[in-house]
Parts: sequence; structure tokens; C-alpha cells
Amino acid sequence: DIVMTQTPLSLSVTPGQPASISCKSSQRLLQSGGKTFFYWYLQKPGQPPQLLIYEVSSRFSGVPDRFSGSGSGTDFTLKISRVEAEDVGVYYCMQATQLPLTFGGGTKVEIK
Amino acid sequence: EVQLVQSGGGLVEPGGSLRLSCAASGITPSNAWMNWVRQAPGKGLEWVGRLRPRNYGGTTEYAAPVKGRFTISSDDSKSTLFLEMNSLKAEDTAVYYCLTFGYWGQGTLVTVSS
Repeated sequence: DIVMTQTPLSLSVTPGQPASISCKSSQRLLQSGGKTFFYWYLQKPGQPPQLLIYEVSSRFSGVPDRFSGSGSGTDFTLKISRVEAEDVGVYYCMQATQLPLTFGGGTKVEIK
Repeated sequence: EVQLVQSGGGLVEPGGSLRLSCAASGITPSNAWMNWVRQAPGKGLEWVGRLRPRNYGGTTEYAAPVKGRFTISSDDSKSTLFLEMNSLKAEDTAVYYCLTFGYWGQGTLVTVSS
């Protein structure tokens, strides 16, 4: 199984400041077809996860442009340019390049 | 707009069975990559299994912990995805979500306890 390792485990951010979360996979996620099936989700308290970024860097419908994704191979990053109060929750990375689909352990983001 | 509305779940004794439903609007489950993911209380996310679209064979694939006990199916006439769970164990206790791409159901709690 591909292991997804997220850092940091938690993050406390002042509103308006940037934040960055890292996710490293134990194997390269580029599929033979040329796509990298890597995703970022945010799970707000008491809600199902919501998709932020798909295929490394594409923002899902309705996701604010302060969220951006980058990376390749085994190293991926989610950046929030200016954190807002509504961004609190647990962020998960996920790979769907190889079965079983696997998730990172999560990064909890809080507001200072 | 895609919406997934889940039903089923509840309390079941170890060794028992339960069926979860995921009613879809805006898509036909057999034409999409439909997944089940679960989240144990206070824990992270764990993939359970998926149904491939009909044009990719319409087959199912499962995570090792549930293979042979859980079955995913769909009923196009009801536009509904199902998760049939048998031989349930305490470690299957979790909130179960159906999802396709960026769309998730609201989740349903399954508690396995005597």
C-alpha cells in the first residue's frame, strides 16, 4: 500500500497569514497515462470532507483561489495564501493512483 | 448538481449484517466511480471499496479489512448505491461515506457492539 505522510500534525495560524501543509507518498503517484491522482480535502467539524484540489493542482468548483496545490513525484504541498476563520478543520491528502486508495493522517488547522 | 443522500446504519451486534444506501441525483451510480470511505470515531479516513463505471467493467474492488465481508452494488432504477456489510466486527464501527469525485454523502454511523 502507498503510505501518505502529512506534516505538520497541527497548525495554528493568524488570520490573513499564509499556511502550508506537506504530504509525502511512499511511491511515485504519476500513472502511466500521465495523470497524478492526488487530492486535498478539508473536513470541517461535524461535516463530511470536501474536495479542495484534484490532480495535484486543480481547484474544485467553488474553492477560493487562496487555496493552491503543487508538487510531483512523491512530494506535494497545499498552500493557503491568507487563512480565514472558515478554513479551520482537518486537511487530508489522498492518492488514487494505486489501490487501495490511501489518505494521509490529517493536519488540524486552528486559528490563533 | 450532484447530491448523495445516505440512509441505513445504526447499532448491530458483532457478526450481524447491515445495508447502507446512497441515493444519487445528478448522476447514475453505475456510470461513475463510486466509493465508500469510513471514519472510525476520532480517527482519519479509510477507503472501503469502489464500484467502477459500467464502461470500465462495472466491477468492484475492496480494501483488505473488508474483502469477503462487504459487497458494493447499485440499482440504476433507484439511482442508488449500496454497501452490504456482513460478519460485522467491532472495528467496523465508523461513519461511512459514499462519494464520487468531489461529492460526498452526509455520512451514516454504524456501531457494532453487543
